[in-house]
Amino acid sequence: AQKITQTQPGMFVQEKEAVTLDCTYDTSDQSYGLFWYKQPSSGEMIFLIYQGSYDEQNATEGRYSLNFQKARKSANLVISASQLGDSAMYFCAMREGRIEYGGSQGNLIFGKGTKLSVKP
Amino acid sequence: DAGVTQSPTHLIKTRGQQVTLRCSPISGHKSVSWYQQVLGQGPQFIFQYYEKEERGRGNFPDRFSARQFPNYSSELNVNALLLGDSALYLCASSLRDTSNYGYTFGSGTRLTVV
Repeated sequence: AQKITQTQPGMFVQEKEAVTLDCTYDTSDQSYGLFWYKQPSSGEMIFLIYQGSYDEQNATEGRYSLNFQKARKSANLVISASQLGDSAMYFCAMREGRIEYGGSQGNLIFGKGTKLSVKP
Repeated sequence: DAGVTQSPTHLIKTRGQQVTLRCSPISGHKSVSWYQQVLGQGPQFIFQYYEKEERGRGNFPDRFSARQFPNYSSELNVNALLLGDSALYLCASSLRDTSNYGYTFGSGTRLTVV
């Protein structure tokens, strides 16, 4: 069965420093997608970054980058130059199921999340 | 453009009651998914609808049901509420039928069962 593991319940980082949030996954599929979401206290899940299993380069989106190591089945999120507004829960997720044209898009399996606190 | 909107934002129900949660996707989005997030856990998939048809169902009892309307909005119904149904219920919508970029989530409905 597919599974996402986030081993860091909580992380602290000093403002303006970089931080790495760990994520490992388990799947027998050759084609899959990995996502990171941010969830502030308001509850909304905010999409940060996506990595496809066949993407050769690590994904980057502004201050976010994904350190994708396929052989180790890890997809760590790196946040550079942390800001106070980055304090939130962060979830790693994997798309489960086949994507069928005009049909199923698959659903997301989430880890338990990491609570990031940025200190001034 | 409005994002994914969910109503109500908060809800308190008694055990055994029924509840209906509503979701309006981003304009033009044809796919809607529902997730349950219990306190301290990641969201768990409940249903996916695309073009008004059920495309996926998670491991939830038959007390949970959903539907999608012609305007692509969706309702999630939960019957015979249990204390364990207390959670944040998230709705997510997606533009393309083969989107590889996940979904846009709403802010959720916080359901408390007492």
